[in-house]
Amino acid sequence: AQKVTQAQTEISVVEKEDVTLDCVYETRDTTYYLFWYKQPPSGELVFLIRRNSFDEQNEISGRYSWNFQKSTSSFNFTITASQVVDSAVYFCALSEGETSGSRLTFGEGTQLTVNP
Amino acid sequence: EPEVTQTPSHQVTQMGQEVILRCVPISNHLYFYWYRQILGQKVEFLVSFYNNEISEKSEIFDDQFSVERPDGSNFTLKIRSTKLEDSAMYFCASEIRFTGELFFGEGSRLTVL
Repeated sequence: AQKVTQAQTEISVVEKEDVTLDCVYETRDTTYYLFWYKQPPSGELVFLIRRNSFDEQNEISGRYSWNFQKSTSSFNFTITASQVVDSAVYFCALSEGETSGSRLTFGEGTQLTVNP
Repeated sequence: EPEVTQTPSHQVTQMGQEVILRCVPISNHLYFYWYRQILGQKVEFLVSFYNNEISEKSEIFDDQFSVERPDGSNFTLKIRSTKLEDSAMYFCASEIRFTGELFFGEGSRLTVL
């Protein structure tokens, strides 16, 4: 069965600090997809990134970067030079195989608070 | 920018009552979903819907739940006889094709008393 673990329940940083959110996953499938979603205080879920299991290349998008390591079943998310607007709950998620739809298994989420 | 809209934003109901939550997905999207989030907990998959039928459902989605796309634009979730443990935020989502890049609505908060 698939499982996503985000061990960090809450993280608090001061603006401009770098912060890394950890995500560890479990799956028996060789084909799977990993995601990060952001849930700001307004409540909606916002897609950030999708990565498939065959692409271990790290990705950078502005201040965001993602580190995917199959050897440790981890897909960590780093925010560089954090800003107050980054304050949100961040969810890591997993979907297995080439299903007919996106059945995502979410982690418990990490509440990030960026203080001015 | 196109968005997924959900109504109502908040509904309070008595245990045992029927509830219908409504969603208008993005118009050219083909896959539709309901997820729920109990307060302070993780987001959980309920059901996926494609080509006018359920494509997958979780163990949470028991006989009390049903989904429908009655008119080609709305996508509804019905809970036939609500229980206290159904209290949660219910999110509708859609995507144009299977990518996992789901567009979520802002959610409907259901409170069962």
